[in-house]
Amino acid sequence: GQQLNQSPQSMFIQEGEDVSMNCTSSSIFNTWLWYKQDPGEGPVLLIALYKAGELTSNGRLTAQFGITRKDSFLNISASIPSDVGIYFCAGSFINAGNNRKLIWGLGTSLAVNP
Amino acid sequence: SAVISQKPSRDICQRGTSLTIQCQVDSQVTMMFWYRQQPGQSLTLIATANQGSEATYESGFVIDKFPISRPNLTFSTLTVSNMSPEDSSIYLCSAHAGGVSGYTFGSGTRLTVV
Repeated sequence: GQQLNQSPQSMFIQEGEDVSMNCTSSSIFNTWLWYKQDPGEGPVLLIALYKAGELTSNGRLTAQFGITRKDSFLNISASIPSDVGIYFCAGSFINAGNNRKLIWGLGTSLAVNP
Repeated sequence: SAVISQKPSRDICQRGTSLTIQCQVDSQVTMMFWYRQQPGQSLTLIATANQGSEATYESGFVIDKFPISRPNLTFSTLTVSNMSPEDSSIYLCSAHAGGVSGYTFGSGTRLTVV
């Protein structure tokens, strides 16, 4: 099915470094969502973005809704070991049938070396 | 946001049998969804569980294989029928409370078919 282009696919960084990941699409979304998934768990919502250009922070996490509504990025500052996991972006839109649809990126696997 | 309890958390099943996964939300939600996720992969939507009516299935998924019930606004079940090893995956329940809330996920059911 339709998917977002999420990059990078994986990252291996040193503790304390900043991290940046992004998602792009050829389609317009009215909501961008960023999730983190730990092994054996379901995805947990980190940040939700609802307006083009919106910049939102949640602790060390910052995400922005691209002005074109076709992209979003997530930054993690001063990474710590518990940031390890898989990060997913997801774009939400209302389809022609007036149904809410959610399209998922393929994920960014983050490893942090203490 | 809503809290989702999903069970079983994991199961090992014989091929040809069926498994029913339960999803209980702690509050009434507008929409409930069922996803499949291969380990290390992104999420694939199976269907939207509609309260009081038949589920809406995505391309590649059919009711005979994945019957879904949603008797009320807080509960849904997904059955994986006539299982084969190809059905081995993680199955996730998700809920959306409407408006500007995000999508919440259960912890998933890790299914292994032998």
